[in-house]
Amino acid sequence: GQNIDQPTEMTATEGAIVQINCTYQTSGFNGLFWYQQHAGEAPTFLSYNVLDGLEEKGRFSSFLSRSKGYSYLLLKELQMKDSASYLCAVRDRYRGSTLGRLYFGRGTQLTVWP
Amino acid sequence: SQTIHQWPATLVQPVGSPLSLECTVEGTSNPNLYWYRQAAGRGLQLLFYSVGIGQISSEVPQNLSASRPQDRQFILSSKKLLLSDSGFYLCAWAASFEGNQPQHFGDGTRLSIL
Repeated sequence: GQNIDQPTEMTATEGAIVQINCTYQTSGFNGLFWYQQHAGEAPTFLSYNVLDGLEEKGRFSSFLSRSKGYSYLLLKELQMKDSASYLCAVRDRYRGSTLGRLYFGRGTQLTVWP
Repeated sequence: SQTIHQWPATLVQPVGSPLSLECTVEGTSNPNLYWYRQAAGRGLQLLFYSVGIGQISSEVPQNLSASRPQDRQFILSSKKLLLSDSGFYLCAWAASFEGNQPQHFGDGTRLSIL
């Protein structure tokens, strides 16, 4: 099974930088995803890491350390529209097939204040 | 480009009634398909996944079932709904060889059981 842990809530001000941490325990790690979910909407894909290191995508970056079972999502130059839940999801290896099941954390609710 | 359609957007059903939620994907062939449920204050829970027509795997025991009658159609059903079936149901697809490809979610169905 999978055990994924992330903070429940975080707050920050517009223009600031925020880091959302995620720790996981998994058998057969095959990638880590971050999704953004606004209230009442479906999750949308933000980033993917499978190797150690930092992946940068505009204002968003994601970091992975497989040996530590740790990832973070870094959001820079925060905007009001970044207020949302951020979901960490770990993919496993399923019987050597191409399918990988995603296991989600409960999400971190980020509130950005003006 | 690929799109995923899910309907209805909201549904209110009495306890004991049947359920049928439909999901279709366009613009891709042989996708992996998934059904998730998100209960209030909880993470996304994988319910079913499918790698091909007629191939369904269940993640958790429950009174729900899934079917894949066509390559790009995924249906979630129940013969008799329980109060505990309330939640936000999300269908997702991913490329059959997932690699670094994420799962993409439909807009979801908000199901309330009375």
